[in-house]
Amino acid sequence: SQQGEEDPQALSIQEGENATMNCSYKTSINNLQWYRQNSGRGLVHLILIRSNEREKHSGRLRVTLDTSKKSSSLLITASRAADTASYFCATGPMNRGKLIFGQGTELSVKP
Amino acid sequence: GAVVSQHPSWVICKSGTSVKIECRSLDFQATTMFWYRQFPKQSLMLMATSNEGSKATYEQGVEKDKFLINHASLTLSTLTVTSAHPEDSSFYICSASWGQGASYEQYFGPGTRLTVT
Repeated sequence: SQQGEEDPQALSIQEGENATMNCSYKTSINNLQWYRQNSGRGLVHLILIRSNEREKHSGRLRVTLDTSKKSSSLLITASRAADTASYFCATGPMNRGKLIFGQGTELSVKP
Repeated sequence: GAVVSQHPSWVICKSGTSVKIECRSLDFQATTMFWYRQFPKQSLMLMATSNEGSKATYEQGVEKDKFLINHASLTLSTLTVTSAHPEDSSFYICSASWGQGASYEQYFGPGTRLTVT
């Protein structure tokens, strides 16, 4: 079963604004990863944050992880129309080799 | 680097026939490959995990006799949907990893759109 819950399910913003997506999970994890999926395409890995890390940056992306609250957030700054896609968090549980995906957030960035 | 391809990218087949989908790691040796299914507007659901040279491990509720997985080499895994039915119509995505365990990054293929008529 899916263990990740994401909110919001859909987000619509204007170009230049920041977009924040949240992910919550239920069990202990080894790491948490964020992926982007353009409509009808495969997934693109964005960033991986390990359970002992609290924040990570990559370009316009900022990811935070709060293991006490079992939650993570993905911030996309200065969004662009090309950022329009679905974003998924995926958790790597402890002692298991498979990722568990959240339900995803559908982001629409209007030019 | 770390490119994963899938073939075909889309396929239409008649109910009752079988369809094979290939997943290849092009520039690395994939110790582990994963197969996911994704219905429209939904998330990825893991179907099975396959390690090279051993039998695939299927997730609960996934029929192993219907979804045959072969991981015969470190660069190729195949998923065969046997006796396909319209409800099997979905987007099938594979991923590959060079390590076992969730610490290793998975690289995803572009997906295969299966439509069963």
